Amino acid sequence: GENVEQHPSTLSVQEGDSAVIKCTYSDSASNYFPWYKQELGKRPQLIIDIRSNVGEKKDQRIAVTLNKTAKHFSLHITETQPEDSAVYFCAANEGYSTLTFGKGTMLLVSP
Amino acid sequence: DGGITQSPKYLFRKEGQNVTLSCEQNLNHDAMYWYRQDPGQGLRLIYYSQIVNDFQKGDIAEGYSVSREKKESFPLTVTSAQKNPTAFYLCASTADQGPYIRGYGYTFGSGTRLTVV
Repeated sequence: GENVEQHPSTLSVQEGDSAVIKCTYSDSASNYFPWYKQELGKRPQLIIDIRSNVGEKKDQRIAVTLNKTAKHFSLHITETQPEDSAVYFCAANEGYSTLTFGKGTMLLVSP
Repeated sequence: DGGITQSPKYLFRKEGQNVTLSCEQNLNHDAMYWYRQDPGQGLRLIYYSQIVNDFQKGDIAEGYSVSREKKESFPLTVTSAQKNPTAFYLCASTADQGPYIRGYGYTFGSGTRLTVV
């Protein structure tokens, strides 16, 4: 089955800095890669996703890049704000049915 | 509330007891999922169902059981065979029979925190 590795497990940045979270996956057949944000005590929410037919996707301050050859994808957050503080999960599809998640990155943005 | 309702929000289980976690969605989604979340472990798949009256085991199904008698409901029973059930349980759903087909990803419920006492 699919295996998704996520790094770093924790990330501390100053407000206004950029943050990058990286994930690798094992199954070359995977072709859908979503990112979820989970604030403390709340449900995970989809913030951005990318499919394998594109290399990069942007939505305001967040972007995701995908390198299918190397089997890795990354989340980039620019101009970080305190409200970006949360746990971020990457995921990859396993066939048509399910998502396999990374172990999460706790992002702390200090004012 | 996001179209998926999980109840209760907090649940306490005694040793040797079975407990059932409720998950109901009004999104008309075909596929439903149960994940377990532990600190530092991410989300691990317990069971999933793509259509009514059918479900599949995930990576950590031992000690759990599910049913899918109605499209909108996918309850999870934590049995006494689950030796370490204390965790945060998340239910999710997606349109079609999986998250990839139209790239909608999952919609999650707000979770149930289960504690063994």
